[in-house]
Amino acid sequence: IVMTQSPLSLPVTPGEPASISCRSSQSLLYSNGKKFLDWYLQKPGQSPQLLIYLGSNRASGVPDRFRGSGSGTDFTLEISRVEAEDVGVYYCMQLLQTPYTFGQGTKLEIK
Amino acid sequence: QVQLQESGPGLVKTSETLSLNCSVSGGSIRNYYWSWIRQAPGRGLEWIGYIYYTGGTNYNPSLKSRVTMTLDMPKNQISLKVTSVIAADTAVYYCARGGGAMPGNLDWFDPWGQGTLVTVSS
Repeated sequence: IVMTQSPLSLPVTPGEPASISCRSSQSLLYSNGKKFLDWYLQKPGQSPQLLIYLGSNRASGVPDRFRGSGSGTDFTLEISRVEAEDVGVYYCMQLLQTPYTFGQGTKLEIK
Repeated sequence: QVQLQESGPGLVKTSETLSLNCSVSGGSIRNYYWSWIRQAPGRGLEWIGYIYYTGGTNYNPSLKSRVTMTLDMPKNQISLKVTSVIAADTAVYYCARGGGAMPGNLDWFDPWGQGTLVTVSS
């Protein structure tokens, strides 16, 4: 499954919203209703950390300004008000079928 | 709080075998999937494969013939071997715990280790 993110670069003013799109080459909706799409953030110099799982569930400790949504093939990560600590590269990942695959990454930077 | 720590040689010669360990502290490897994911310098993320705590494995076909994952329950450790390495195997290698809402589910990877850089060179 090919994962395509856009944009690849996202300059944002602090306090403003941001949105990242992730499109999959086939539906990530399983027969049980789960959408096997996660979002990860790799902050500079760090390993990736889980933000959102199963399309719309925030991981423990993730601020509620992060919101994941989407249908079978089109998913969105929204940040309601960007803060300086949100800089890094955001990856979507599909876990519907192996080999699991990632999007190319979206680099969020502060203007 | 579960923590993962990768370890192994930082330099491997071309055509030789890359061997890494992932030590798990603060929790058991039982009931989870344990995955290896790598990131070539300046590049994105590539899933290598996973091993379930029962020993079942699933590898990325792009590496399948060269990859072996094992686990050591008493040591709470997961291992990765990649044979016949080439320059393109140069990457930061991460181990990550896979889990879900119910035992046996794989809905997310969390946490990840800090990663270890492996350079392949002749």
